[in-house]
Amino acid sequence: SQQGEEDPQALSIQEGENATMNCSYKTSINNLQWYRQNSGRGLVHLILIRSNEREKHSGRLRVTLDTSKKSSSLLITASRAADTASYFCATQYNNNDMRFGAGTRLTVKP
Amino acid sequence: NAGVTQTPKFQVLKTGQSMTLQCAQDMNHEYMSWYRQDPGMGLRLIHYSVGAGITDQGEVPNGYNVSRSTTEDFPLRLLSAAPSQTSVYFCASSQLPWARGVYFGPGTRLTVL
Repeated sequence: SQQGEEDPQALSIQEGENATMNCSYKTSINNLQWYRQNSGRGLVHLILIRSNEREKHSGRLRVTLDTSKKSSSLLITASRAADTASYFCATQYNNNDMRFGAGTRLTVKP
Repeated sequence: NAGVTQTPKFQVLKTGQSMTLQCAQDMNHEYMSWYRQDPGMGLRLIHYSVGAGITDQGEVPNGYNVSRSTTEDFPLRLLSAAPSQTSVYFCASSQLPWARGVYFGPGTRLTVL
């Protein structure tokens, strides 16, 4: 399968702690994106990192991409209860095909 | 802009019935796609389009048809509904080349009895 795979499947932390989620993929990509989904809602785009980029920041989010290891990580710093959601990585290929992983379910306890 | 809109929000079908899920976007995006999301799984790509008149199959295309006669609309047709097609369906759109993320619609929850 070409789709990304997130790790861990579930993560539970206390408010204020950092949350790190990982994504691995199998073939060369154009870019990798991270999305957030609150329970019962649609997906919201968080950040896109291109294959020639190694790190991007957006607010409390930090994304890294290691194309040699075919992996990416999403770090949420100083987490809040409102960050509780499922987080998905999506890998986009040359043919404009875009595949999603199964997601990491993050729970931030107040 | 309304963004990506989907209708209906909920639908119940009987096995063998056909129906069309509607998707429209008002952002002049070239790329549009349909995904299904099943419990405990990520989104799986059904079909996608990179422009009017151009469609291609994704990961799970069987049992679904699409067409793209205009830039704005990308309907998904279920030919003969089966219980295995019970899922939440999301339509998405984006600019090409990929510079930003993909915009998702609110989803259609489909149940096939």
